[in-house]
This record gives sequence, structure tokens and C-alpha cells, in this order.
Amino acid sequence: KAGVTQTPRYLIKTRGQQVTLSCSPISGHRSVSWYQQTPGQGLQFLFEYFSETQRNKGNFPGRFSGRQFSNSRSEMNVSTLELGDSALYLCASSIRQAPGSYNEQFFGPGTRLTVL
Amino acid sequence: KNQVEQSPQSLIILEGKNCTLQCNYTVSPFSNLRWYKQDTGRGPVSLTIMTFSENTKSNGRYTATLDADTKQSSLHITASQLSDSASYICVVSATSNNLFFGTGTRLTVIP
Repeated sequence: KAGVTQTPRYLIKTRGQQVTLSCSPISGHRSVSWYQQTPGQGLQFLFEYFSETQRNKGNFPGRFSGRQFSNSRSEMNVSTLELGDSALYLCASSIRQAPGSYNEQFFGPGTRLTVL
Repeated sequence: KNQVEQSPQSLIILEGKNCTLQCNYTVSPFSNLRWYKQDTGRGPVSLTIMTFSENTKSNGRYTATLDADTKQSSLHITASQLSDSASYICVVSATSNNLFFGTGTRLTVIP
């Protein structure tokens, strides 16, 4: 079974630009969560999608948005990029909603975003 | 305030030695606790998941313990190998479905 895939793996953008990241979950998984990881802050939850609906949202500004398609693939968009948005963006999929339940998440390799 | 704190921040050990990583949390109400291993440049990989009623869970040379009364967990690595060099992240789930992440312990195993 193929794992979680994320594209692109690396991205360089300049301040003010916008970016779209893509995540394909494991086949059969309907929940997709997005995380931002920086050296100083560790992993921080962005949002979770299940059945094309955002179910949970972290404490990030509205510049960060996402969506999920009917095939469970998900995209994350960041508009008006800032230097502080440089990070590793991780996507995780699970079979069901609610990562708080006994429901294992499988992470993708991440997209390394650098904002210059 | 719901928090997860890990110690030490970083650790260097000799190959073949054992080590123990700590995770203290204040998340309530508690649902489960997970340990992840993250190699450099890769996504985290789950090592163990423990619920309230589980005290110990092993995965090969990795053994996690949980004391729900003191809200502490530890990850013990036995007979370390060079491939154990990675960041180890403790994640606590609340019954509200929210996840709380520790900032991780960076382990380096040297020959």
C-alpha cells in the first residue's frame, strides 16, 4: 500500500507570493491533517479535513487555508507569504476522523517551504 | 493550560548504550499518548500509542511507559543503533480530539 505522498518536496518562494501544497492520503483514508514544523516551535496543528469538510482548525491566521476533494486528496494554500512561514509542512492521514481517538496517523515526507 | 514538555532537548549516546527520554503533560481530559520517531528530512513515524489503561508498550527495542496519575511517559531505547539517531516526539490527545505536541528530543547515537 502506498504511503502518504506530498508534492512538491521542496519549494522556494518570495515574500508576498502565495503557495499551494498537495497531499495524497493512503488509499482508504478519509481524514487528512496538516501541520507546520519549525525548529523552535515543533509540530503545530493547522487543520483537519474529513469528507471534504474542515473538522478542526489550529491557531493560524486566515492566510492559511485548505480543502479536500472527493477522492480525499487535500491541498493547503498559504497567501501573502511571510518569512516566518518558512517551515516543513507535514500532512498526515488516518482512516477515520478524530485524531484524538485511538486512530493512528500516518505522516507524509513533508514539503520544505523556504520564503525569501 | 494543555502542554507537553519533553526532556532532554538533545542527547548524545554511544552505540550500544541504553537511553530514556521523558515526556510530561498537563493535557486533560486525556485520551492517548503517542511516541513518534522522525528522521531528518522525513515525516514522523509512529512507535507506540498508549491509552489510559496501558502502562507499558513495546515495539522492538523501544519501550514506552505511561503513568497517568503523574502524567508522565518515558521512551526507553535499548542497545542503541546508529539508525536510532532522530528526533523523538511525544504527542498527547485530549478527548476533545485536539492533539498536543512536545518539541521533541534530538537523539544522536555515535559509534
